[in-house]
Amino acid sequence: AQKITQTQPGMFVQEKEAVTLDCTYDTSDPSYGLFWYKQPSSGEMIFLIYQGSYDQQNATEGRYSLNFQKARKSANLVISASQLGDSAMYFCAMSLWIGGGQLTFGSGTQLTVLP
Amino acid sequence: DADVTQTPRNRITKTGKRIMLECSQTKGHDRMYWYRQDPGLGLRLIYYSFDVKDINKGEISDGYSVSRQAQAKFSLSLESAIPNQTALYFCATSEQTGNGYTFGSGTRLTVV
Repeated sequence: AQKITQTQPGMFVQEKEAVTLDCTYDTSDPSYGLFWYKQPSSGEMIFLIYQGSYDQQNATEGRYSLNFQKARKSANLVISASQLGDSAMYFCAMSLWIGGGQLTFGSGTQLTVLP
Repeated sequence: DADVTQTPRNRITKTGKRIMLECSQTKGHDRMYWYRQDPGLGLRLIYYSFDVKDINKGEISDGYSVSRQAQAKFSLSLESAIPNQTALYFCATSEQTGNGYTFGSGTRLTVV
């Protein structure tokens, strides 16, 4: 069975600095997708970034980048130039195969951006 | 209108009552999911459906049932609600490939 581990329950970062949120995963399936979602206090799930297991390059979306290290089974999220609006819960998730499968979520990291 | 609509947005119900949470989508996706989120935890899968005639149990299906009335509609029922089913419930849809997941806004359910 697949598993997602997020070892940082809470993180603090100064505004305008970069921050890395850790995520490790475990699966025996060679075909999978990795996701990061943001959940603000209002509760909705906001998709940030996606990485397929066969993608050769790390995914980037604006200020978000995914540091994908396949051999180490890690998929860390890097947020550059943090903003106050980035304060939220962040979840790493994995699908069983590339797209379409059910998602398995980590327990999340609460990020607080300090002014 | 939202691509994935959940109703109700908030609900308070009493222990032992039957309650249905509804989800409808305009994405045209075949795959639909119900997840539950408890405070301080990630989302856990309750049930999922890959097409109208396909229903599958997820990690925490006990105490829940689902109905896929049409491609666009997927309902979650609590046959006899209990307080530890108090949680935030999400419906989601996806394409068969790629990263095309879409979440609804969630239903906050409180069982008293």
